Amino acid sequence: GEDVEQSLFLSVREGDSSVINCTYTDSSSTYLYWYKQEPGAGLQLLTYIFSNMDMKQDQRLTVLLNKKDKHLSLRIADTQTGDSAIYFCAVQSGGYNKLIFGAGTRLAVHP
Amino acid sequence: SAVISQKPSRDICQRGTSLTIQCQVDSQVTMMFWYRQQPGQSLTLIATANQGSEATYESGFVIDKFPISRPNLTFSTLTVSNMSPEDSSIYLCSVESSGRVDEQFFGPGTRLTVL
Repeated sequence: GEDVEQSLFLSVREGDSSVINCTYTDSSSTYLYWYKQEPGAGLQLLTYIFSNMDMKQDQRLTVLLNKKDKHLSLRIADTQTGDSAIYFCAVQSGGYNKLIFGAGTRLAVHP
Repeated sequence: SAVISQKPSRDICQRGTSLTIQCQVDSQVTMMFWYRQQPGQSLTLIATANQGSEATYESGFVIDKFPISRPNLTFSTLTVSNMSPEDSSIYLCSVESSGRVDEQFFGPGTRLTVL
């Protein structure tokens, strides 16, 4: 079945850029998503990218998709302490909106 | 975006009992999903609930343990039956934004602890 992998931790200094990486196995995935989960909270849809796109930018967020390598990344520019959270990569699978999630990357932002 | 609420937000239950979790959406949606997030882990899809049909369960999840209702286009329930401590998780409902297949939104989750 589909597998989605992420590194578990990332630590960055406030003001720097953060890059969170994700790899997946299902080349037929149509949509790929990034969700943010703050402590004790539900999941917030941050952004998504359609599989025929290479890049999508939304304010401080940039999503890059390398479909050949099945690699997805989320770049957060000018990272702030409020960006500290767990970031989940999710990939659509199975022909409908079933999402397969990665394990989540815990982003810690320090002064 | 859809606004999703869940009840209860958290509960502590005894082994062997059952808990029904409610999910309410502020707009009509075709597809609703129930996920489980075990402590410190990622999300796993339990089942997909479409109005007017039986829920479709993922491998490892069965209707007897997780019965689901979907009486209309804005509401669904998930019951966790005959609970054991291994069922302690956050249970989240999500919806596909009606008319747009590229957005899926999640409720705030129900944090369940089974003693």
